[in-house]
Formats: sequence, structure tokens, C-alpha cells
Amino acid sequence: QKEVEQDPGPLSVPEGAIVSLNCTYSNSAFQYFMWYRQYSRKGPELLMYTYSSGNKEDGRFTAQVDKSSKYISLFIRDSQPSDSATYLCAMSGPDTGANSKLTFGKGITLSVRP
Amino acid sequence: KAGVTQTPRYLIKTRGQQVTLSCSPISGHRSVSWYQQTPGQGLQFLFEYFSETQRNKGNFPGRFSGRQFSNSRSEMNVSTLELGDSALYLCASSLGRGNPGANVLTFGAGSRLTVL
Repeated sequence: QKEVEQDPGPLSVPEGAIVSLNCTYSNSAFQYFMWYRQYSRKGPELLMYTYSSGNKEDGRFTAQVDKSSKYISLFIRDSQPSDSATYLCAMSGPDTGANSKLTFGKGITLSVRP
Repeated sequence: KAGVTQTPRYLIKTRGQQVTLSCSPISGHRSVSWYQQTPGQGLQFLFEYFSETQRNKGNFPGRFSGRQFSNSRSEMNVSTLELGDSALYLCASSLGRGNPGANVLTFGAGSRLTVL
């Protein structure tokens, strides 16, 4: 079993839809949870960053972390064609002061149809 | 503020050759990490450098190596290339250990390596 599992997709939705992206993980030591967005021929860019359990909202994006279920989600409201990209979940353990070794899901490609 | 710069962006090599990739981090960032991205395995951690020292290493063979210079710029090297080394190699920088958000990574656009 991989440490981080992400729905493989691809996912296609109409403009304006609510999108739900999910990841599960097995390592209970993970404490930092992130979502990255990657456009074609670009590097991943950080979208959301959360520590431990709870919700975080930023504009049309909401990240949820449920450590008891080892489950994280990213919700996109009022999706736009410009949201079409690959979305990757990523996690890291506590370490001392945290480090840059992130464990990624394989990513899901989202297409938002006009 | 300039982002993370990786060179070259694209390169083609043949089996058995070696390759060196370069990464210039964001100014003020002292940690550089490298990741390999393939369709089959996704993004996998290669190694992390901080203050010119390798601090962490992923599960890759010794053919993969790297170094960091005093100005925080980093290079990674892959020797005796294999077909399976074809991938997008991503460099990311962060403030580094001991800093808040040390694992907040900013990625470059990557170097796409094709091994024939």
C-alpha cells in the first residue's frame, strides 16, 4: 500500500460545478498537509497548506483534514476553466522544524468545461 | 522576486551517458530539494540540501547524486543513464530547517530528461 493514495481520475466537470478532490494516507506521523496545482509544462504551485486537522478556506478553495480517518479533501467552488490542471496532495511528518521531504499523491487531472 | 530557475529545460541523452541539472533557488532560500516526476510513480523525493550538506535522501540508487554550493545553488547528477530515468526533474526551494514553513516549497518548472 502506498503511503498516499489519490483518486486517479481524470475528472471532467462543467463550469460552475463544485469539485471534490480526495486523498487518503497511511502514515499517522503526517502533520502537514498541502495541495499543489500543476499546469501543463509547469512546476507544481502551492495552493493550500494546513497543519493537523481542520478546515482552511481561501477564496473558492477549501481544504479539509481529518486525521482520525487519515483523509484530506480539497473543494473547489464555482469551478472555472482556468482551474483545469493536475492537483496533487502532499504531506510531511513532524521532523524537527519540518523539512522539505514531501510525500505526494500521484495527482488527478481536472478539466473544467466552459 | 525571481522564482526557482532550472536549466536546461529539455534534454535528450542516450543510455550510459551522464547528465547534470542545475537549480537556482529563490533569493534567501537556503534549502533545495529535488524530486523526480513520472506518469507511473508520480512525484518522488530524491534529496534535500541545506547549508551545502545533504540532509535527507530518498530511495534512489547511488547513480543519483547532488550538491549544493555556498550561494545555495544546487546541481544534481545522474550517471550511467537508464531508460527508466526519463522523467521531469523538479527542484524546489524553501527557507530551510529551523524556519517556520520550512516545508513550504516553491518549485521550478523542471528539467525534462529523455533517455534513448
